[in-house]
Amino acid sequence: EVQLLESGGGLVQPGGSLRLSCAASGFTFSSHAMSWVRQAPGKGLEWVSFIWTSVGSTNYAESVRGRFTISRDNSKNTLYLQMNSLRAEDTAVYYCAKDVGSSGYLNWGQGTLVTVSS
Amino acid sequence: SYELTQPPSVSVSPGQTASITCSGDKLGDKYACWYQQKSGQSPVLVIYQDNKRPSGIPERFSGSNSGNTATLTISGTQAMDEADYYCQAWDSSIVVFGGGTKLTVL
Repeated sequence: EVQLLESGGGLVQPGGSLRLSCAASGFTFSSHAMSWVRQAPGKGLEWVSFIWTSVGSTNYAESVRGRFTISRDNSKNTLYLQMNSLRAEDTAVYYCAKDVGSSGYLNWGQGTLVTVSS
Repeated sequence: SYELTQPPSVSVSPGQTASITCSGDKLGDKYACWYQQKSGQSPVLVIYQDNKRPSGIPERFSGSNSGNTATLTISGTQAMDEADYYCQAWDSSIVVFGGGTKLTVL
């Protein structure tokens, strides 16, 4: 059974940093692209970033490009999202999701809440 | 940037057919997916590659995609289908979500 478990969310001040983690199990992590998707309170889904199986092959939404960095450690079956220069509008539940592309996101984590506020 | 447009809300009576649309430029040339999200829960993929259902998704969920519009159809809608629904497409290495549609089963 595929399991994705996010952690690292919390309260951070504007301009601060936070690193999210997503521990994966139940599949061959190194063989799958991984993504981050977020949802602001009461709002819709917004894609944030994805990373292909090979380190270095990434893409980002314009709203986070230059501030967020996605990475992965295939030896630890873990996906990361380093978030810098955080803004109030980054407040959201952050989900990790398996794969990317035309087949959609079949597997999602339960999400971790990031609140950016002073 | 590519955009997908959904109606904010759709209402349907139990047992009737609900249709939720998703519009985007030449969307029919791309693959569309649909997600169901109930309050406080993670999204669930209900349709992928326009009209395929993942294992465990009831047959009453179906999809189509042509021209500029993708459509999610729920036949024989049940009270448990009340949720937010999001379309999603893959365009030039970018993932795009629609704004979401709240389905109310009256």
